[in-house]
Amino acid sequence: KAGVTQTPRYLIKTRGQQVTLSCSPISGHRSVSWYQQTPGQGLQFLFEYFSETQRNKGNFPGRFSGRQFSNSRSEMNVSTLELGDSALYLCASSPGGTRQETQYFGPGTRLLVL
Amino acid sequence: GESVGLHLPTLSVQEGDNSIINCAYSNSASDYFIWYKQESGKGPQFIIDIRSNMDKRQGQRVTVLLNKTVKHLSLQIAATQPGDSAVYFCASYAPGDYKLSFGAGTTVTVRA
Repeated sequence: KAGVTQTPRYLIKTRGQQVTLSCSPISGHRSVSWYQQTPGQGLQFLFEYFSETQRNKGNFPGRFSGRQFSNSRSEMNVSTLELGDSALYLCASSPGGTRQETQYFGPGTRLLVL
Repeated sequence: GESVGLHLPTLSVQEGDNSIINCAYSNSASDYFIWYKQESGKGPQFIIDIRSNMDKRQGQRVTVLLNKTVKHLSLQIAATQPGDSAVYFCASYAPGDYKLSFGAGTTVTVRA
């Protein structure tokens, strides 16, 4: 089975711009979670989608949003970028049926905001 | 809220020796724990998991121990190899949540 894929792998944006990141989960997985990873804050949960519905949300401002499509692919959007949004954005997928499931991560999208 | 943390941020180990990475968690109701390995430039990779109804679980060269009494889990790596150099994270599910809470990570460096 192919793993979780994320595109693009690298992005450079300037403050005030917006960005859209894409995630394709493992085939058959219906849950997609997004995490932000920074050296200072570590891995922080952004949100989780299951069957096109946001099931969980972390403590991030409304500039961070996401969605999931009927094929389970997911996108996250960050509007009005700030310097502090520079991070590695990780997507993880799991089958989605229960809570106690292993999440499998993609390689991440490295975002640099200038 | 849930807090998952590791005892030491770095660990240096001689090739061939055994490594032990520790993790403490704060929520006694946490019921599922996962260890991940993250190599430079890559996403976290699943190593091994353990549910709260178990004390020990073994994989290939790895063992996870869970002590619910003191809210502590550890990852033991046998015969550590250069390819084991990475950052290791413990993660857990908070009760009722579908999100993982991660510890800060331990950087393991294997000396030749």
